[in-house]
Amino acid sequence: AQTVTQSQPEMSVQEAETVTLSCTYDTSESNYYLFWYKQPPSRQMILVIRQEAYKQQNATENRFSVNFQKAAKSFSLKISDSQLGDTAMYFCASTIPNDYKLSFGAGTTVTVRA
Amino acid sequence: DAGVTQSPTHLIKTRGQQVTLRCSPKSGHDTVSWYQQALGQGPQFIFQYYEEEERQRGNFPDRFSGHQFPNYSSELNVNALLLGDSALYLCASSFGRTGYTFGSGTRLTVV
Repeated sequence: AQTVTQSQPEMSVQEAETVTLSCTYDTSESNYYLFWYKQPPSRQMILVIRQEAYKQQNATENRFSVNFQKAAKSFSLKISDSQLGDTAMYFCASTIPNDYKLSFGAGTTVTVRA
Repeated sequence: DAGVTQSPTHLIKTRGQQVTLRCSPKSGHDTVSWYQQALGQGPQFIFQYYEEEERQRGNFPDRFSGHQFPNYSSELNVNALLLGDSALYLCASSFGRTGYTFGSGTRLTVV
């Protein structure tokens, strides 16, 4: 079974500043995939970034980057130069190759202040 | 862009009734998954359909059933609705394991 834990229910950040969201996971598999999804008020779940466990290099997508610590089973998301449009709920999720479901954490609400 | 389309966007049902939610996958996708997202929580996997069959099921009672059609679209049916079934129901489509595209969901309220 995979479990994903997000311990920060809410985060607030000033526009143009940086915020880091925490995520820990638990799996007995050696190969797995980790994701960060963004869910704005429009409700659509949007993929922000994806990390494959066997890749050592941390994934980066524009202003979004992750710090993947495999031994610690930690997968944090850093949002740099925060913009008002980044205001949303962010979910950490995981899946393994022989499983077809995504396992999500409880989410972190991020509010970017002008 | 023909993304994932879900209908209806909102609906209100009475306890004990039955409901059907619909999902049209993104063009080129052949797999549909359904998730239930209670208010303030992360989505929970209900089941996945591939080649018109239920390929995997989460921890949901038999009141939750589904169907996939030859054009890959899918329906989620919930019978004997309970107040606790009130949630956002998300559909996600994919082609193989290439990544999931989510729809905007159907907000179901049971009164």
